[in-house]
Amino acid sequence: EAQVTQNPRYLITVTGKKLTVTCSQNMNHEYMSWYRQDPGLGLRQIYYSMNVEVTDKGDVPEGYKVSRKEKRNFPLILESPSPNQTSLYFCASSLNLRGAEAFFGQGTRLTVV
Amino acid sequence: EDQVTQSPEALRLQEGESSSLNCSYTVSGLRGLFWYRQDPGKGPEFLFTLYSAGEEKEKERLKATLTKKESFLHITAPKPEDSATYLCAVRSLVDKLIFGTGTRLQVFP
Repeated sequence: EAQVTQNPRYLITVTGKKLTVTCSQNMNHEYMSWYRQDPGLGLRQIYYSMNVEVTDKGDVPEGYKVSRKEKRNFPLILESPSPNQTSLYFCASSLNLRGAEAFFGQGTRLTVV
Repeated sequence: EDQVTQSPEALRLQEGESSSLNCSYTVSGLRGLFWYRQDPGKGPEFLFTLYSAGEEKEKERLKATLTKKESFLHITAPKPEDSATYLCAVRSLVDKLIFGTGTRLQVFP
């Protein structure tokens, strides 16, 4: 089954404690991205990757890091989480950028206290 | 600036009462317009892609249409299971995917 898998689904952590949210896709897609979703603000792109070892900032990259060492995996790293990073996070993948639809993971609800 | 605006923010319908959701956009060239359905706490689920003005796509009770400035998602005789937030997104020529804030649809029996 074609899917994007994120882990964990729920996470509560304390300010400053480094964490990683994993994302994996089994569709051999080139393009992967991370979004955060906040009430009234919609989905905002954090980082994206056009292929292995190629990443770039989205609209709200501050406080986040990513890496793309393999085509299928695109982890999101919060080196020193803060309460304003409490949000619902989604990983997405697309075959390419030429009008292809994006497939989303089930989401990670992160709470930073 | 590229922008996507969805209206209304929320819509309450009686079962069987047809209606339309609007997505208006301004982008520097359109590579594609996408409709998604999102259930609470879950990831957006892809519904349709539209590429050019005049194009239409249908799936069960849903029909999406596209003009040069907006798209409509028509819901015919909705059922309670159609209740969800419907998201519109556009991909511009600079390959950025821009989302609207969605329309929250509630269908009552």
